[in-house]
Amino acid sequence: GAGVSQSPSNKVTEKGKDVELRCDPISGHTALYWYRQSLGQGLEFLIYFQGNSAPDKSGLPSDRFSAERTGGSVSTLTIQRTQQEDSAVYLCASSRGTGTGGAGSDYEQYFGPGTRLTVT
Amino acid sequence: DAKTTQPNSMESNEEEPVHLPCNHSTISGTDYIHWYRQLPSQGPEYVIHGLTSNVNNRMASLAIAEDRKSSTLILHRATLRDAAVYYCIDNNNDMRFGAGTRLTVKP
Repeated sequence: GAGVSQSPSNKVTEKGKDVELRCDPISGHTALYWYRQSLGQGLEFLIYFQGNSAPDKSGLPSDRFSAERTGGSVSTLTIQRTQQEDSAVYLCASSRGTGTGGAGSDYEQYFGPGTRLTVT
Repeated sequence: DAKTTQPNSMESNEEEPVHLPCNHSTISGTDYIHWYRQLPSQGPEYVIHGLTSNVNNRMASLAIAEDRKSSTLILHRATLRDAAVYYCIDNNNDMRFGAGTRLTVKP
């Protein structure tokens, strides 16, 4: 079946502009994660959605970052007034995520190809 | 902050076994241990997971300490294609990746 998809694959924007990054998770997956990865660095957690629960936004680096997930499926990560330090690959992942008490395989994350954001 | 600790880097020779350690001292009784890896210029991919018993799959083996405070990912015969950053995670819902271990495989 279809995996996680993200769009656009590449985005170049000018400093100060707003950008929206889109993630289409695997159908039926209730959990969705956003990460970012700067060049040569590890994954940095941004935000986590699980079903209808309030999202865990604790990884968002500033109030310029926000994300929503409509209808429990597609998610959009918005970065307002972009800065050069926002340049990174933004990765989205989804999992079956049954909340608690599920089997380990329920938490296996499937990653999308990422969006490479360059702020000039 | 990541709840697991791993060495920053390791080296291996091709065709030799590799043992990648991970400490997860704050793991709770119901948390699974997951391992992912990220090949160069690719997104992370799932490798293996376990709860208490050792696990084997086509990619690797996972050895879990009796007290579950640590685990070891075992690549039985490293290939050049196994060069990647390997991440271990010990929480089901708060899947925050740490810096991982960068594995270099020498021919």
